[in-house]
Amino acid sequence: GESVGLHLPTLSVQEGDNSIINCAYSNSASDYFIWYKQESGKGPQFIIDIRSNMDKRQGQRVTVLLNKTVKHLSLQIAATQPGDSAVYFCAVLTYKYIFGTGTRLKVLA
Amino acid sequence: DAGVIQSPRHEVTEMGQEVTLRCKPISGHNSLFWYRQTMMRGLELLIYFNNNVPIDDSGMPEDRFSAKMPNASFSTLKIQPSEPRDSAVYFCASRGNGVSDTDTQYFGPGTRLTVL
Repeated sequence: GESVGLHLPTLSVQEGDNSIINCAYSNSASDYFIWYKQESGKGPQFIIDIRSNMDKRQGQRVTVLLNKTVKHLSLQIAATQPGDSAVYFCAVLTYKYIFGTGTRLKVLA
Repeated sequence: DAGVIQSPRHEVTEMGQEVTLRCKPISGHNSLFWYRQTMMRGLELLIYFNNNVPIDDSGMPEDRFSAKMPNASFSTLKIQPSEPRDSAVYFCASRGNGVSDTDTQYFGPGTRLTVL
């Protein structure tokens, strides 16, 4: 069945370093991918998206990479800040959205 | 835009009581989604509407759950009777129908439901 998984449940990063959060998906027909950030007590917040006809997309301090060959998606956060501490979800759209279980990013001072 | 609005933000009720959660999507969005989030199961899609019509309700746990969307600016998720295992955070999300953001969902702040 459809599944979306994350390689690490928790990621600890030193402030100022780059963070990389990974996501694997199973359905090769997936054509739209989103990264969300969820802070404690809040709803998921859209960060960045990418369509299957692209392999890289950049935003402000964030980059999403898509490798359709191995069905892998990653989120890179440059110069990680304390405000980046949150749970990050990937979401994959095929005929419906499937969400990953989330990776908790902890930023160490 | 105020974003997706949900009410109440917190709800504590006793087992057997009826619970109604409310959602106002972003103005102009034509798709609305109800999700449930728990530590054990993460984010689960319960139901989604397109142009006020339920399209996929396969995620609704059982007959105790029902959802309506009487118009483009309002939806409810009702649980009757509620049970302790329904305790979770319930999110509503909406999606635009514009050219630039057709597939992006925007989430509300959620309703934290506790059933005692």
